[in-house]
Amino acid sequence: EAGVTQSPTHLIKTRGQQATLRCSPISGHTSVYWYQQALGLGLQFLLWYDEGEERNRGNFPPRFSGRQFPNYSSELNVNALELEDSALYLCASSLGLASYNEQFFGPGTRLTVL
Amino acid sequence: SQQGEEDPQALSIQEGENATMNCSYKTSINNLQWYRQNSGRGLVHLILIRSNEREKHSGRLRVTLDTSKKSSSLLITASRAADTASYFCAGGGYQKVTFGTGTKLQVIP
Repeated sequence: EAGVTQSPTHLIKTRGQQATLRCSPISGHTSVYWYQQALGLGLQFLLWYDEGEERNRGNFPPRFSGRQFPNYSSELNVNALELEDSALYLCASSLGLASYNEQFFGPGTRLTVL
Repeated sequence: SQQGEEDPQALSIQEGENATMNCSYKTSINNLQWYRQNSGRGLVHLILIRSNEREKHSGRLRVTLDTSKKSSSLLITASRAADTASYFCAGGGYQKVTFGTGTKLQVIP
């Protein structure tokens, strides 16, 4: 069974540009979570999607947005990139609510903003 | 802000020794989970302990949970060099899971 996949592995952008990150959950998982991990720091919760809808979002500005498609894959968009957006972006999926069940993480997308 | 805070931030031990990491959290939780992360890659789930449980074992891992003190500990026995990684606790609360800042464990061969 394939795990959570993310693309691209690395992404280099310049300040002011837009970045699009993609995630495919484990087959059968309907919930997708996005986290930001800045260098040397813990994970900051970004967004939670379930059944195609945004269920919760963390303390991030509106230029961080995303969506979930009918096949439960998800996209994270970051507009008007700033230098401090440079981080590892992790996607996770779970069978049911992550607050009750384990999350399965993808390998991450490392975003570098120059 | 992070709900969980791990202690210590970094830990260095010799292979074969036990490693203990502690986690404190602020709000009520449904469960407490521990994850491992190797070299800035994706996280791997280690163990989940529910709020009505006090202790749980999985192989060389032992987790305790004290809801009255809002704290948890992770014990890795007979550590190996391959256990070198960052360890995160995560509190499963209402509609989200909140991760701590992590403990960086180094096991010296």
